[in-house]
Amino acid sequence: DVKVTQSSRYLVKRTGEKVFLECVQDMDHENMFWYRQDPGLGLRLIYFSYDVKMKEKGDIPEGYSVSREKKERFSLILESASTNQTSMYLCASSSKGQGAGQPQHFGDGTRLSIL
Amino acid sequence: QKEVEQDPGPLSVPEGAIVSLNCTYSNSAFQYFMWYRQYSRKGPELLMYTYSSGNKEDGRFTAQVDKSSKYISLFIRDSQPSDSATYLCAMRGGSYIPTFGRGTSLIVHP
Repeated sequence: DVKVTQSSRYLVKRTGEKVFLECVQDMDHENMFWYRQDPGLGLRLIYFSYDVKMKEKGDIPEGYSVSREKKERFSLILESASTNQTSMYLCASSSKGQGAGQPQHFGDGTRLSIL
Repeated sequence: QKEVEQDPGPLSVPEGAIVSLNCTYSNSAFQYFMWYRQYSRKGPELLMYTYSSGNKEDGRFTAQVDKSSKYISLFIRDSQPSDSATYLCAMRGGSYIPTFGRGTSLIVHP
């Protein structure tokens, strides 16, 4: 089974702090993704990566950055946390496979509160 | 119009009922279709993955795709209280990035 592990289930930080969210997958997947999920807004894509050291902006990249130094690890960074970044953050990975690739598999999420 | 429409519910049914969850979409390029189940405070879990039109069955779950109507369904037979969750549909074309519905909340009461 695919396993996507997010380092923290719950995290509380203060405004202005630099926050790191870590994600590791164990299936040698090429693609990795960061989403945030808010009530009534669904899943929104922040950043994604198709390969090591490669990153692409999603729909809502403002206030975030990412790092992918190793294939299995994808980090999301909140440069200066703000209260409107309080949310559930979900990491996902997928294989390129053949053709258009395979479906995404998700971690259990990090519920981040910014005070 | 959103690319993927999904009724948020909640949908409340008695235990043992057949549940039908649905999504409509507007992008005719979509050809891969997925259903995810998300329990409260957990990440989405992949339930079904289908390509193009037709049916796919896995235990009590059946996924149905009608590309001509741009309509997909997930049927759950003999529903159980443990099926209570939010169900997300997702779909994509040639991109690695799917478009998600906002999810339907299902409550199965004993």
